[in-house]
Amino acid sequence: QVQLQESGPGLVKPSETLSLTCSVSGYSINSGYYWAWIRQPPGKGLEWIGSMYHHGGSFYNTSLRSRATISVDTSKNQFSLKLTSVTAADTAVYYCARNPHTTIRGMDIIYWLDSWGQGTLVTVSS
Amino acid sequence: EVVLTQSPATLSLSPGESATLSCRASQSVGSYHLVWYQQRPGQAPRLLIYGSSSRAAGIPDRFSASGSGTASTLTISRLEPEDFAMYYCQQYGGSLITFGPGTRLEIK
Repeated sequence: QVQLQESGPGLVKPSETLSLTCSVSGYSINSGYYWAWIRQPPGKGLEWIGSMYHHGGSFYNTSLRSRATISVDTSKNQFSLKLTSVTAADTAVYYCARNPHTTIRGMDIIYWLDSWGQGTLVTVSS
Repeated sequence: EVVLTQSPATLSLSPGESATLSCRASQSVGSYHLVWYQQRPGQAPRLLIYGSSSRAAGIPDRFSASGSGTASTLTISRLEPEDFAMYYCQQYGGSLITFGPGTRLEIK
């Protein structure tokens, strides 16, 4: 059974870069899924940040594309999120998740999020 | 950009009753589909329904969904105390994932 666990600093200063890692156990990260980051500001709804495949294919939320980078480290069975130039609006619980997909006529289509980490709260404050 | 709306925003019911939650997309875009998640307080969301009407592993058959890629209805029959939570729909079908704002199912 796949398990995901987020880790990283719980406090980041404004204008700096938020960096989080998701450790995956019970499943090989290079075995056919996309891997995603989602966030949830306190008391608010869910926002998808982006998804990445182990071979480098990626999709991002249009509103975060310029600041977010997801990378995959198959040797450690981990994937990571970097979000640059953070502000208080980036304060949220950040979740990592497994993201099934299919390929139609050479194009990947990402589906739902079938396994989630427990989430980690990141506060942006000086 | 497709926007999802969920109704009602809050639903107040008693254990044993049935709940009907709705999700609708702002536009019809190709072969898109809707899925459902449950989020209990302090927990991560968990997948309930995928592929429009298939229950995820471990989800009781009290949960069912029907609809198309632009509108879906989640029905929860015989509400149990653990069912009172937030419910989010999500649309997929291309290169983006979009969530609805959620419906809060609370105990009356």
